[in-house]
Amino acid sequence: GAVVSQHPSRVICKSGTSVKIECRSLDFQATTMFWYRQFPKKSLMLMATSNEGSKATYEQGVEKDKFLINHASLTLSTLTVTSAHPEDSSFYICSASGQNQETQYFGPGTRLLVL
Amino acid sequence: EDQVTQSPEALRLQEGESSSLNCSYTVSGLRGLFWYRQDPGKGPEFLFTLYSAGEEKEKERLKATLTKKESFLHITAPKPEDSATYLCAVQAAGGGNKLTFGTGTQLKVEL
Repeated sequence: GAVVSQHPSRVICKSGTSVKIECRSLDFQATTMFWYRQFPKKSLMLMATSNEGSKATYEQGVEKDKFLINHASLTLSTLTVTSAHPEDSSFYICSASGQNQETQYFGPGTRLLVL
Repeated sequence: EDQVTQSPEALRLQEGESSSLNCSYTVSGLRGLFWYRQDPGKGPEFLFTLYSAGEEKEKERLKATLTKKESFLHITAPKPEDSATYLCAVQAAGGGNKLTFGTGTQLKVEL
């Protein structure tokens, strides 16, 4: 149980375009979803926390207008990187936790390369 | 501010050579301490949650322990398939489900 999927697994886009990443909880209802960013050989940096049906809470330094997060259902959250630039290239990972669950279950990650 | 420090940064073991990874933490009221395994290019895989000092949990060759200041991940007779980065994270009371991660220990087990 507790399976989380992400799509796409890899994406290459041109500078200035927008990219949408989907995160789905496959076998449980995710009341809270989290979006992380990870640089090579570095740990996970939390970008934002989203609760189903509510606006996301962004960590300090994360531009909410650039990284749009939607958590419209208990099984789906999306992260849209708007007007992507090369410095946005990174490994983006989502996680999900259910009601009354402290444990976060992670997706497989999405590798974004902005040319 | 919650902080997590893991050591060593990297560890190279021979197959069968047992060792321990350390996770030191400071947190304003510990709700839980989590261990994850991360393979290259993949998302973290949940291993254990520890809630209070003195607690221990085991899974195959892995055993996690917790004190008021640190946690250890003991690896007994490791195999090459145990090679991965092991991440420690803390969850503070009153912080929702938010996790603060350490930078991880990259473990390499050789034949």
